[in-house]
Amino acid sequence: QKEVEQNSGPLSVPEGAIASLNCTYSDRGSQSFFWYRQYSGKSPELIMFIYSNGDKEDGRFTAQLNKASQYVSLLIRDSQPSDSATYLCAGRVFGNEKLTFGTGTRLTIIP
Amino acid sequence: GAGVSQSPSNKVTEKGKDVELRCDPISGHTALYWYRQSLGQGLEFLIYFQGNSAPDKSGLPSDRFSAERTGGSVSTLTIQRTQQEDSAVYLCASRLSGTAGYEQYFGPGTRLTVT
Repeated sequence: QKEVEQNSGPLSVPEGAIASLNCTYSDRGSQSFFWYRQYSGKSPELIMFIYSNGDKEDGRFTAQLNKASQYVSLLIRDSQPSDSATYLCAGRVFGNEKLTFGTGTRLTIIP
Repeated sequence: GAGVSQSPSNKVTEKGKDVELRCDPISGHTALYWYRQSLGQGLEFLIYFQGNSAPDKSGLPSDRFSAERTGGSVSTLTIQRTQQEDSAVYLCASRLSGTAGYEQYFGPGTRLTVT
């Protein structure tokens, strides 16, 4: 079992709708979680991080963390074609500096 | 401000040759990380530097891989006797110490192709 798992997709969402990206993790020592966006041929770009249970909102993006169920999600409201990218979920275990990444979910926003 | 920079952006080398990849972190960032991303794969941690502390080398895949960080800033990742399976994008990231989120910022990467 991979430490951080994501559905590889592709996930297709109509423009203006809500895109929901999910991630599960196996290590209960995981403390903080990160969502990165990666356009094809580019490096990952940090969107949000979350380390407390519940929701964290930043503009059109909302990260959700449920430590009891060991899942993290990212909601993108009012999806735009420019949101089409691969979204990487990563977790960090307490006391460890490295990030463990999932393989990413490819999101396509359909105009 | 300036982000993480890496050079070269692309490197093609013959199997068995040594290569050096360079990373210049964001100014003031004391933590520096190397990852690699193979085609269709997630990012794989390689090594981590923090200030003057001993680096965390737990992700290096073999003893052909080494890295150093001089003066607490620029880092070089060296791959000796390259193999075709070393072909990947090598990404460097840096972090400002003391931030609650431990968020890392990535450079543009070096695409390494071993022929």
